[in-house]
Amino acid sequence: GEEVAQTPKHLVRGEGQKAKLYCAPIKGHSYVFWYQQVLKNEFKFLISFQNENVFDETGMPKERFSAKCLPNSPCSLEIQATKLEDSAVYFCASSRTGGLSNQPQHFGDGTRLSIL
Amino acid sequence: AQKVTQAQTEISVVEKEDVTLDCVYETRDTTYYLFWYKQPPSGELVFLIRRNSFDEQNEISGRYSWNFQKSTSSFNFTITASQVVDSAVYFCALSEARAAGNKLTFGGGTRVLVKP
Repeated sequence: GEEVAQTPKHLVRGEGQKAKLYCAPIKGHSYVFWYQQVLKNEFKFLISFQNENVFDETGMPKERFSAKCLPNSPCSLEIQATKLEDSAVYFCASSRTGGLSNQPQHFGDGTRLSIL
Repeated sequence: AQKVTQAQTEISVVEKEDVTLDCVYETRDTTYYLFWYKQPPSGELVFLIRRNSFDEQNEISGRYSWNFQKSTSSFNFTITASQVVDSAVYFCALSEARAAGNKLTFGGGTRVLVKP
């Protein structure tokens, strides 16, 4: 598609439950990124993929967070045993290339995760 | 480590006034990219501009203009003759070319409120 598609738009979970978010990158884009936006303004990088391979996972809280980008499927971000502090908007972005050409990242509309 | 600082947290102007948003960055890389994104009240992130570290030419796009000064590590953004629709949070971001996956480091954002 021509846009990064994130589903669902809003997800509500009780503390301790699992949450799974999905992202379909723009067709033809090789790189996918996940960011967490808390307190409305602060962005935190979580993980990036080049096609189905993890490229950089330095931002991932590995104990409870995991992510995948499998061929012919939307990418996913899963949080096990959610905590109140996981409440945030999770943005997915995709770009055509990385490296020295560094094309701009195009963002989806985000998934608002609310942990009760 | 890379860092982006947007010192202005909120700017309020009256319609038709000009507004300049400051962005100062830190990086040890000689090749890097700078971006501006707009986040309107609806929440999505809209890409505005990308600039690479070798191109210090200023750019104008309609009512938007950008001033990149490598000597002061600044990439400032001006909205000329502001309109109510410009009300949004604006984010400056940095990506280092050598960083795996070219993740974005965002500033804290500047909220612009344009009053009619």
